[in-house]
Amino acid sequence: EAGVAQSPRYKIIEKRQSVAFWCNPISGHATLYWYQQILGQGPKLLIQFQNNGVVDDSQLPKDRFSAERLKGVDSTLKIQPAKLEDSAVYLCASSLGAYRGAYQETQYFGPGTRLLVL
Amino acid sequence: SQKIEQNSEALNIQEGKTATLTCNYTNYSPAYLQWYRQDPGRGPVFLLLIRENEKEKRKERLKVTFDTTLKQSLFHITASQPADSATYLCALDNYGQNFVFGPGTRLSVLP
Repeated sequence: EAGVAQSPRYKIIEKRQSVAFWCNPISGHATLYWYQQILGQGPKLLIQFQNNGVVDDSQLPKDRFSAERLKGVDSTLKIQPAKLEDSAVYLCASSLGAYRGAYQETQYFGPGTRLLVL
Repeated sequence: SQKIEQNSEALNIQEGKTATLTCNYTNYSPAYLQWYRQDPGRGPVFLLLIRENEKEKRKERLKVTFDTTLKQSLFHITASQPADSATYLCALDNYGQNFVFGPGTRLSVLP
């Protein structure tokens, strides 16, 4: 079974530029998550999708971050404009989701995209 | 606001000993608690899940306890090996929502 794919693996940009990350979840997984992980900290949930609908985006800085999951499969996360403090690893994860009395939210993570904003 | 603490940033133990990691939380009533392992440059990998009505769960050399009164989970690795060296993260959720990860504990098992 193929895992969660992310690209690019690394990105270096200047502040105020824009950047986009792509994620392809495990086939059949309804739930997709984007996390931001700053060095030395745990992952922080930015947005959670159930199919192509948003479940939780309470910690997404909506003035500069946006995400979409068209057709309920692949997803893109965009930052525009980037700030120095956005330097982090951006992790994508997926789970079976569609909770129906049996827990199915064990998350499978991709390798992450390491972003450096100069 | 919800807060998760893990006992220490780093823990060093001798090979063969039992490693015990702690996860404490406040302002949260999770339905589930999960433990993940993260190696440098990689995404977290799921290890164990325990439900709010379970006291203990085991898997091979791993054991997790969950005390909802103390708002604490303990994660044990018995007969630890250098290959167990990694960062261990606890995560809470409420029926698939409100996911929160702890800051992690970096475990080093010394030969």
